[in-house]
This record gives sequence, structure tokens and C-alpha cells, in this order.
Amino acid sequence: KQEVTQIPAALSVPEGENLVLNCSFTDSAIYNLQWFRQDPGKGLTSLLLIQSSQREQTSGRLNASLDKSSGRSTLYIAASQPGDSATYLCAVGGTGTASKLTFGTGTRLQVTL
Amino acid sequence: AAGVIQSPRHLIKEKRETATLKCYPIPRHDTVYWYQQGPGQDPQFLISFYEKMQSDKGSIPDRFSAQQFSDYHSELNMSSLELGDSALYFCASSLATKNIQYFGAGTRLSVL
Repeated sequence: KQEVTQIPAALSVPEGENLVLNCSFTDSAIYNLQWFRQDPGKGLTSLLLIQSSQREQTSGRLNASLDKSSGRSTLYIAASQPGDSATYLCAVGGTGTASKLTFGTGTRLQVTL
Repeated sequence: AAGVIQSPRHLIKEKRETATLKCYPIPRHDTVYWYQQGPGQDPQFLISFYEKMQSDKGSIPDRFSAQQFSDYHSELNMSSLELGDSALYFCASSLATKNIQYFGAGTRLSVL
């Protein structure tokens, strides 16, 4: 059974800092990995998707890496802004048709002025 | 571009009542997934359908049932509602061959 863990559970940084969020998963037989952002009480916004054959993806100030063999992914946020404050979730997609996503426990990020 | 549409966005029910949540996938997507996110929890997979057949089943209570219709929309039926069913319910759709899930905005169910 796939288990996904995110560290740290919560993080507070001053504006402008670069930061790294970590995601680890127990079963390396994955199809893809997604990073989502969720504001309190709101829906899931997809940030980056990495296919299992890829090593990293970049979008603006965000960079996600994937090391499938070690069961780890990182989300790097450059030059953090107060608007980045949210919960960040990683989710691992299994192999096979119509495989579910298994979500991590999330990292709650607070970027202060 | 068309996205996944969920209705209603908010729903308030009493204990023991019944609720029906609807999901309209992105056109041409053949797979629908349902997830439940309780307060302070991560989303948990409930059930999925591929080409109108149940594909996978997670921790879905027996009081819940779901189906995918001929137009590919899906409905999640929840009976004998309990306080613990209060949650955000997300629907996602994908093309099974690509397995990239796109999420709807969610339905917030409050059971009083």
C-alpha cells in the first residue's frame, strides 16, 4: 500500500527566502507525481506534474524534482512571497489504468512580511 | 478550456438525510475519481470509474454509492448521513491512457 509523507508539516519563512518542501513515498512503482496548492477551505490547484520518466519540472519560481528509486520528491520555491502562503500537497499516481492518487499529509507554509 | 464541473458547490443536510453530488468531467475524459477531504485531513480516495464501470474502490462507506452514466458524468449518492461525513468532496477526471487527473472545485458538505 502506497504511503506518502511530507516534511515539514508546517513551515514559516520571511518573504524573499528560498525554501524546499519534501515528499517521500514508499512504493517506487509510480506513474507520476503531482504537487498541489490548497488555500484554506478551497480546492486543489495543480502546480507541477512530473511523469515517472522525468527528473524535474519547472514553472516560474517553482521547481519540482523526482527521484523515483529513492522514493522522494522536492518542491523548491524561489524568492517566496506572502501570496505563497497555503498548504502544499504532493500526490502520487499509481501505474495501471485509472489509478488513484495517494496524497501526502501536506506542508502548511506561512510566508511573513 | 473546459474544466471539471461539480455541483452543488455547497450542501447542508441534517443527520440521516440523503445527499447526491454530481460531477461533469472534461469532455472526452473517460475516467472519473471521487475523493473526500475531512477537516485538516489530506484527500482520501473513495471510488473511480472507467468507461462507466467501477475501476477501483477505496475507503468508501457502504452508505455511499456512485455510478458513471452514459454521458460520462458521475454521481455520488450518500445516505444516512452522519456528522463525520462533513467534508470537501472532490471529483477528478482523466483520460485513462494519460492518467493525469484534473480536479473540480469540490462540493462542501455540511451535516448538522
